[in-house]
Amino acid sequence: DAGVIQSPRHEVTEMGQEVTLRCKPISGHDYLFWYRQTMMRGLELLIYFNNNVPIDDSGMPEDRFSAKMPNASFSTLKIQPSEPRDSAVYFCASASSGTYNEQFFGPGTRLTVL
Amino acid sequence: AQSVTQLGSHVSVSEGALVLLRCNYSSSVPPYLFWYVQYPNQGLQLLLKYTSAATLVKGINGFEAEFKKSETSFHLTKPSAHMSDAAEYFCAVSEQNTGFQKLVFGTGTRLLVSP
Repeated sequence: DAGVIQSPRHEVTEMGQEVTLRCKPISGHDYLFWYRQTMMRGLELLIYFNNNVPIDDSGMPEDRFSAKMPNASFSTLKIQPSEPRDSAVYFCASASSGTYNEQFFGPGTRLTVL
Repeated sequence: AQSVTQLGSHVSVSEGALVLLRCNYSSSVPPYLFWYVQYPNQGLQLLLKYTSAATLVKGINGFEAEFKKSETSFHLTKPSAHMSDAAEYFCAVSEQNTGFQKLVFGTGTRLLVSP
C-alpha cells in the first residue's frame, strides 16, 4: 500500500503567486482531509470531503484558499494569491467509513511564501 | 463539542526512563481516542487507538495507553524511553456515533530524550 501521496514535498514561491498542492488518497478511502500545521496555531483542519463532495470547509481561512476533489483518487488545495502568512506545512489525510474514524496522513508539503 | 487537552507542551526524559504523556478529553458521547506520533519532517503516524474493546491499549514501539472514563483521561506511557522516541505526540478524540466523525486534535507534546 503506497499510503497517502502528496506533491510537491517542498514549495517555495513569491508573494502573490498561485500555489497548488496535490494529494492522492489511499485507494478505497472515501474521506479526504486537508490540514495546515504551524508553530503558532498547531494542526488546523481546513476542509474535508466525503465521496468527492466537500462536507465542511469552515476551517478554510479566507477566499484565497480553495480545494477540489474531481475524483476519488485526486484532490488539490489552491492558494491564490499566496501571502507570507500562508507559510506552513500542509497535510492531506484519508480515511474509510467503518474504521473508527482513523485517519492516515501523507508526508506533507512544506510551503514557504517569500 | 469535543476537546482534547495535552498537559505540557514539552516533556524531557532520560534514555531508559518512564515516558508519560498526558491527555484529557471532553466528549458528550462515548469517544474514540487516538495517539499519533510525528517525527521531524514527517506526517502523523498512528501509535494506538481506543475503540471501546479494551481499556488498556497497546500500540507500536512499546507504547500503551489506558482509557479511564472516570478521569476522562487517555495518558500515553512507555516503560523505557529510547533516543528514537524523540518526536511530537498528538492525542485526538472523535465521537462513537453513526456515520464518520472527524478527529479533534490536541496541541501536541514534544518528547525530548537525553542520553
